[in-house]
Amino acid sequence: SQKIEQNSEALNIQEGKTATLTCNYTNYSPAYLQWYRQDPGRGPVFLLLIRENEKEKRKERLKVTFDTTLKQSLFHITASQPADSATYLCAPYGQNFVFGPGTRLSVLP
Amino acid sequence: DAGVTQSPTHLIKTRGQHVTLRCSPISGHKSVSWYQQVLGQGPQFIFQYYEKEERGRGNFPDRFSARQFPNYSSELNVNALLLGDSALYLCASSLARGNQPQHFGDGTRLSIL
Repeated sequence: SQKIEQNSEALNIQEGKTATLTCNYTNYSPAYLQWYRQDPGRGPVFLLLIRENEKEKRKERLKVTFDTTLKQSLFHITASQPADSATYLCAPYGQNFVFGPGTRLSVLP
Repeated sequence: DAGVTQSPTHLIKTRGQHVTLRCSPISGHKSVSWYQQVLGQGPQFIFQYYEKEERGRGNFPDRFSARQFPNYSSELNVNALLLGDSALYLCASSLARGNQPQHFGDGTRLSIL
């Protein structure tokens, strides 16, 4: 069955540093992959979409890579801020969205 | 513009009861998907509806059913509630089916006693 893993349940970094979150998937080949942010008590919010033929996608301080050979996506937040603290979910898309368990990011001032 | 709205926000039921959750998509969005999110996990796909037809179904028992109305709003029904059905139920809308950004509501928190 399809399986998605995201690095460590929680990640703590200092303000100003770059946060790197990992998403690994097995047993399928998604054509697209999306990243979402979720704050406590709220629904996920769409951040970025990357297609299998795109190696990298950027939006402001966010960067996503998609390596279909490694079956992995990396999500980077540069110059991180305390306001970036949230849970980040990856969602590879095959026939439907399958969400990973999420990584809870804490940016410490 | 209004985002995705879900009702009710919180609900408490007992085992064996039935529940109906409601979702209004963003205006112009024709696809609605339902997800179950247990604390500490990512959302698990339940259903997708597009143009009032079921277009996808996740690995959930037949106690779960849904429908989409002509105005694209949707209902999720769960029968014979179990303790394990306690979760946050999320609705997401998108312009079309397929790979589109999902716009989520803030969910219905369902607690089963």
